[in-house]
Formats: sequence, structure tokens, C-alpha cells
Amino acid sequence: QQQVKQSPQSLIVQKGGIPIINCAYENTAFDYFPWYQQFPGKGPALLIAIRPDVSEKKEGRFTISFNKSAKQFSLHIMDSQPGDSATYFCAASHGGSQGNLIFGKGTKLSVKP
Amino acid sequence: EAGVTQSPTHLIKTRGQQATLRCSPISGHTSVYWYQQALGLGLQFLLWYDEGEERNRGNFPPRFSGRQFPNYSSELNVNALELEDSALYLCASSFGRDPGNTIYFGEGSWLTVV
Repeated sequence: QQQVKQSPQSLIVQKGGIPIINCAYENTAFDYFPWYQQFPGKGPALLIAIRPDVSEKKEGRFTISFNKSAKQFSLHIMDSQPGDSATYFCAASHGGSQGNLIFGKGTKLSVKP
Repeated sequence: EAGVTQSPTHLIKTRGQQATLRCSPISGHTSVYWYQQALGLGLQFLLWYDEGEERNRGNFPPRFSGRQFPNYSSELNVNALELEDSALYLCASSFGRDPGNTIYFGEGSWLTVV
């Protein structure tokens, strides 16, 4: 019940395409859903985060869509660029988890020029 | 402003030895987290320290331990190293205990056990 399932494992798109990465969770106590971006040799960096009281959040070219009833959330990258090529992780936590972010297994995105 | 800093960058140890990894959080951050990123397993939560106390630990054996110092820096100790402990160990910090506070990661320490 503590798992966050992420798909796909890898994704290849052309420049300008809109890659979509999906995550699903079981624990209805989760109330904070961040996405992290990780480049090779670097630590993960927070990209965007959402709470379940909103269904969508946009920051620049990155959009999170959240479906509370389906217990799913997804990341969309608009007008993707080769510089977006990285591994993306979704995560979830709740107030009672005390610092424990549960991560998905990651999606390796490659954006071709 | 400096981010989360970790040392050493790389560490090679022999099975059965002990490894110590160090972390300095962002200035002003009181919470420090440790995660293990093993190949194919994603990021696994190890430990959380806040205000010098261990607040939570993940599903790891007791040979994984650590502490947080009065200046909020932290170290992770791994005793009786096993080959499967080879991984990237990531330290992260946040301001306060609110789980919604942004967690900032360092670039990690690569531990190789041979």
C-alpha cells in the first residue's frame, strides 16, 4: 500500500513532442505529490509538486494532472527539448509519514533532436 | 547559496568493512534525509533526522545508522558492508518537519563494495 507505481520505464520522443509519465498510488493518506528530475551524475531536483485539492498545476512547460478518485497523477512536458532528457521520478508522502517520500522507480526520457 | 554537499564523492570498501558518508544541509535547514539509490531499485528512504534526533527510518537493517550533529550536518554509517550495499547514497535537506516542505538533494556519494 506504500508503493507508487510509475510508467513507462523509458520513453523516447521527438523534439516538440509531449511526453506523458504516469504514476498510481494506493495509500489514500498521501497528500503531497512531487516530481523530481535527475540528470546523470546529479542528485534529483524538484520539478513541480501538487496537493490533492487541485486537479492540475502548471509551471512553465511542465504540467501535473491529478485524479484523486483514480489515485493517479501524471506529468506532461510541453514542447519537449533535448535538454529535458533525464530520468523523472514521481513521489508521494503524507503528513504522518514523517519525511518519508515514497518514490516511483523512475522514467528515463530521451528527447531526440 | 550552497546546496546540500556530500562527501566523499566516491568510496570503495571491502565486504565486511564500515563506511561513513557525510552530509552538510543547506544553511537554515534542520531536517536531513538519507536515501539509497541502487541500480534498478529507485530511491529507497533510509533515515530522517531533525533537530538532532532520528525521526523515522526506512526498511533497512540496523547496520545502517547515522546521526545528526548540533550544526545539523549528518553522517551515515554502514557497518558490515555487503556487496548489495553498493549504491548511490543521497542526502537531502528541508526546512523544518512539514512533509510538504521542499526536499533538496545533494549529488550523492557512490559506495562500491568489493
